[in-house]
Amino acid sequence: GESVGLHLPTLSVQEGDNSIINCAYSNSASDYFIWYKQESGKGPQFIIDIRSNMDKRQGQRVTVLLNKTVKHLSLQIAATQPGDSAVYFCAERASGTYKYIFGTGTRLKVLA
Amino acid sequence: NAGVMQNPRHLVRRRGQEARLRCSPMKGHSHVYWYRQLPEEGLKFMVYLQKENIIDESGMPKERFSAEFPKEGPSILRIQQVVRGDSAAYFCASSPPPGLTNTEAFFGQGTRLTVV
Repeated sequence: GESVGLHLPTLSVQEGDNSIINCAYSNSASDYFIWYKQESGKGPQFIIDIRSNMDKRQGQRVTVLLNKTVKHLSLQIAATQPGDSAVYFCAERASGTYKYIFGTGTRLKVLA
Repeated sequence: NAGVMQNPRHLVRRRGQEARLRCSPMKGHSHVYWYRQLPEEGLKFMVYLQKENIIDESGMPKERFSAEFPKEGPSILRIQQVVRGDSAAYFCASSPPPGLTNTEAFFGQGTRLTVV
């Protein structure tokens, strides 16, 4: 559902390790999902998307996994780099609507 | 192909003044979204528009807020009689018409509104 006023959870990862960022979505009718990256002072930047007829999609260094049974989405970043430090949001869109609903977000910190 | 352009990037208004935020979508995109973001929070949907038509304004406050996307020119988010609680980052996103294969929304850099 809509994000609430909670402090962002933080994931700290050593440079070079893999990162896994998780997201629970609320609407079983959602059929399209996007991961966005937001750096400080900037707008969200599209990373990767997936439709509900898929359970996995790979991009460059990123993989999105979708588990519709438990309404769970994850973003895997391989060989995490300092430039990956940002807040990551998942967004869902329900079938028949055009509105994207954003998750709470996770702050990724990459440790040198 | 320029991305989504928002201006101004920063806007300071005194309580009671009006704030006008502008958004020019990506070329070829006919649909615009406005979102609001408070510090350390996610993005909250406000309104979704296509040219000359409001599709979904379920996230818009009932009073003082309005949005338009005229046939010519940028989309405008207008906040009348601003209050301190309106201080936030306002993001615009645009997408192609629904029904096409790739309908991801691309975001602008936002307008940071500060009400003093």
